[in-house]
Amino acid sequence: DAGITQSPRHKVTETGTPVTLRCHQTENHRYMYWYRQDPGHGLRLIHYSYGVKDTDKGEVSDGYSVSRSKTEDFLLTLESATSSQTSVYFCAIRTGLAGFGASWNEQFFGPGTRLTVL
Amino acid sequence: AQSVTQLDSHVSVSEGTPVLLRCNYSSSYSPSLFWYVQHPNKGLQLLLKYTSAATLVKGINGFEAEFKKSETSFHLTKPSAHMSDAAEYFCVVSAAGNQFYFGTGTSLTVIP
Repeated sequence: DAGITQSPRHKVTETGTPVTLRCHQTENHRYMYWYRQDPGHGLRLIHYSYGVKDTDKGEVSDGYSVSRSKTEDFLLTLESATSSQTSVYFCAIRTGLAGFGASWNEQFFGPGTRLTVL
Repeated sequence: AQSVTQLDSHVSVSEGTPVLLRCNYSSSYSPSLFWYVQHPNKGLQLLLKYTSAATLVKGINGFEAEFKKSETSFHLTKPSAHMSDAAEYFCVVSAAGNQFYFGTGTSLTVIP
């Protein structure tokens, strides 16, 4: 599972409240990703990071912000949650070259966080 | 630009019969292609990947996929379906960048 954990695993919140989801990895991978999964859409990229303090937007970044102050942690924040952000959120890492003991260019995923915005 | 089209949103097969899940891709560069499986209420697991080595790729649990550049396809197959194969399957493309593009998924039902 590439040592990826997500917290919380489940959260129910109300419209307009801020929410932060955390992704933690133990294997020092440079690239980390946040996706949301919705029926009929597969997984869609929200933001990704290619190093500490280096992030970029994905396909569905509106309403979300991210931060990466340490290699091992990638935070996703919903500044003011809306019902349309009810979803399952997955964090992923991308493996690098031989130095990490894994194949090039694979993604491994965390267990997911189910977020419900009422 | 890269994209993936999974041609069937639902596939239903009988146990013991072959499985075919279809995926077409679009990529401006030589792509890496992946199939992931997601069992109900679980995370995503890598089934197999193509990264410009052999065009016929073998994965876990008896699954295979063949990269056909002329057809821009990367279909997933298995000779004999098992009940435990019932899941959602995602085809993914990545090329010349840091992003991965997912198809919308194919739900596989296996009938006993």
